[in-house]
Amino acid sequence: AQKVTQAQTEISVVEKEDVTLDCVYETRDTTYYLFWYKQPPSGELVFLIRRNSFDEQNEISGRYSWNFQKSTSSFNFTITASQVVDSAVYFCALSRFTFGNEKLTFGTGTRLTIIP
Amino acid sequence: KAGVTQTPRYLIKTRGQQVTLSCSPISGHRSVSWYQQTPGQGLQFLFEYFSETQRNKGNFPGRFSGRQFSNSRSEMNVSTLELGDSALYLCASSLSGGERKTQYFGPGTRLLVL
Repeated sequence: AQKVTQAQTEISVVEKEDVTLDCVYETRDTTYYLFWYKQPPSGELVFLIRRNSFDEQNEISGRYSWNFQKSTSSFNFTITASQVVDSAVYFCALSRFTFGNEKLTFGTGTRLTIIP
Repeated sequence: KAGVTQTPRYLIKTRGQQVTLSCSPISGHRSVSWYQQTPGQGLQFLFEYFSETQRNKGNFPGRFSGRQFSNSRSEMNVSTLELGDSALYLCASSLSGGERKTQYFGPGTRLLVL
């Protein structure tokens, strides 16, 4: 069975501070995909990043960066110089690598509030 | 390219009724998945369709069903509604498989059961 844990239920930071959202996962598969999604108040899940388990290179996209560590089963997400528009619920998710299995297993989400 | 669309956006039903939700995937996407989101249970996978066939199913009762049409559009149906079915229902589409395994979500349908 697959499981994703986001231990931080809610985080509040002052604008321009850096913030890291933690994600820890469990899977018996040796290859898999990891994702981060953002859910603003409107409700739609917005795709942020996909990471293959065999690619442990960290990734940076503007103010966003992701730290994937297979050894600790973690896939953490850092927002640098946070902005009010970053306020949302963020979900980490896991899926199997096998073709024909699109199911995403989500964590419980972290509600991020950026205080102006 | 247009994103995933879902209709209706909001629904109010009473217990015992049934409801049908619709989802139109991104053009070219053949896989459509459905998720239920509630405050208590979070985001849970309902089922996934590919080429008009249900490929995967989550742990939901038989009251929850779905189908996919030849144009990849999908519908899900919930019969004999219960109060606990009140939720945000999200549809996602993907190209399916390998490097294309990214699901893009629609805005959701908010269902309230009274």
